[in-house]
Amino acid sequence: GAGVSQTPSNKVTEKGKYVELRCDPISGHTALYWYRQSLGQGPEFLIYFQGTGAADDSGLPNDRFFAVRPEGSVSTLKIQRTERGDSAVYLCASSSGLAGGSQYFGPGTRLTVL
Amino acid sequence: AQSVTQPDIHITVSEGASLELRCNYSYGATPYLFWYVQSPGQGLQLLLKYFSGDTLVQGIKGFEAEFKRSQSSFNLRKPSVHWSDAAEYFCAVAFNQAGTALIFGKGTTLSVSS
Repeated sequence: GAGVSQTPSNKVTEKGKYVELRCDPISGHTALYWYRQSLGQGPEFLIYFQGTGAADDSGLPNDRFFAVRPEGSVSTLKIQRTERGDSAVYLCASSSGLAGGSQYFGPGTRLTVL
Repeated sequence: AQSVTQPDIHITVSEGASLELRCNYSYGATPYLFWYVQSPGQGLQLLLKYFSGDTLVQGIKGFEAEFKRSQSSFNLRKPSVHWSDAAEYFCAVAFNQAGTALIFGKGTTLSVSS
């Protein structure tokens, strides 16, 4: 079946602009995660959804970052007033939501803030 | 705080030689343990995982990993490396409950020489 998909694959924006990144999880997966991967680093957790609600948003760096999952499937990560330091690859993953359920990752969105 | 350490930033192995990538974690109990591989332009692919039971786990692409509680380690091994194994490898841990985020190491880049 289809894996996790993310759009766009690349996004270039200017400092101060607003961006939205989309994630379409594996069908039937109730858990959805967002991570951010900076150059030379491992992915860092941002936020986790179980169904429609954010179960853990402790990784969001500040209030410019926000994510939604209104129908429990597709999720959108929103970044306001982008800064150059937001440049990174944003990864989405989904899982069954059960204990020990493996997380399956999408290809990521590379965000570049000029 | 929980953490994952991959001591080797970059390793070069000759094609056909054996491989061992090191991973150590810091956590008060036995976590769930994972190895992911990331090829250039590709998403993270799950190689294998350990939850409980047999401490030697087999994964895809001929990889295996051994959990050693006494050393808080989960090293990845392959008996004979192929040129296509060149990629970045990430060790990750998760708490022993449903839906928790993965904590990743910084990764080890594997180069394969002919």
